[in-house]
Amino acid sequence: LAKTTQPISMDSYEGQEVNITCSHNNIATNDYITWYQQFPSQGPRFIIQGYKTKVTNEVASLFIPADRKSSTLSLPRVSLSDTAVYYCPLGAGNTGKLIFGQGTTLQVKP
Amino acid sequence: NAGVTQTPKFQVLKTGQSMTLQCAQDMNHEYMSWYRQDPGMGLRLIHYSVGAGITDQGEVPNGYNVSRSTTEDFPLRLLSAAPSQTSVYFCASSYGGTGGRYEQYFGPGTRLTVT
Repeated sequence: LAKTTQPISMDSYEGQEVNITCSHNNIATNDYITWYQQFPSQGPRFIIQGYKTKVTNEVASLFIPADRKSSTLSLPRVSLSDTAVYYCPLGAGNTGKLIFGQGTTLQVKP
Repeated sequence: NAGVTQTPKFQVLKTGQSMTLQCAQDMNHEYMSWYRQDPGMGLRLIHYSVGAGITDQGEVPNGYNVSRSTTEDFPLRLLSAAPSQTSVYFCASSYGGTGGRYEQYFGPGTRLTVT
């Protein structure tokens, strides 16, 4: 499993759509892509997972191009409560291992 | 379900002391893992387990031991605490590989300070 690379920080305003990109050039065939949200003094919380193409759930969308070397988390209409650190660790399905990178600190302003 | 529970929430140790961080889950998950998170950093994998009796090393295993005698429990032992082990420790669990559900459930963390 390889570490992923993300922008260190991003700013947005309430009501905007936010797209956070993640680079994983060395992703292996068996790796899957996950995104987690972490608030201060809490453990990370799962947001979404995907292997290829697009995945959507009730809180976010995940876009993965055909080469799988990057992924984009899309948060529609963010609010102040979305201010957090977002991680995109790669995971190995047969072990449950996750390898985290630095994460992106998203600051949502009123 | 309580989910993933960790005890203690806070701990202060002196250099050279040993202790065990407890982790338990009540979701019948096969996989469990331990991570540490230093200030301003991402999480780093210490040890993980794919089932009772099976453990393996992660990115930063030195100074830590684990065992998994039951599906529910996955304790982390610090053998001889060092200041470099000051960190927040998170335990996580997840379903096994079948079914395509890979999300991990994290506990609330243990804040450890070694003086």
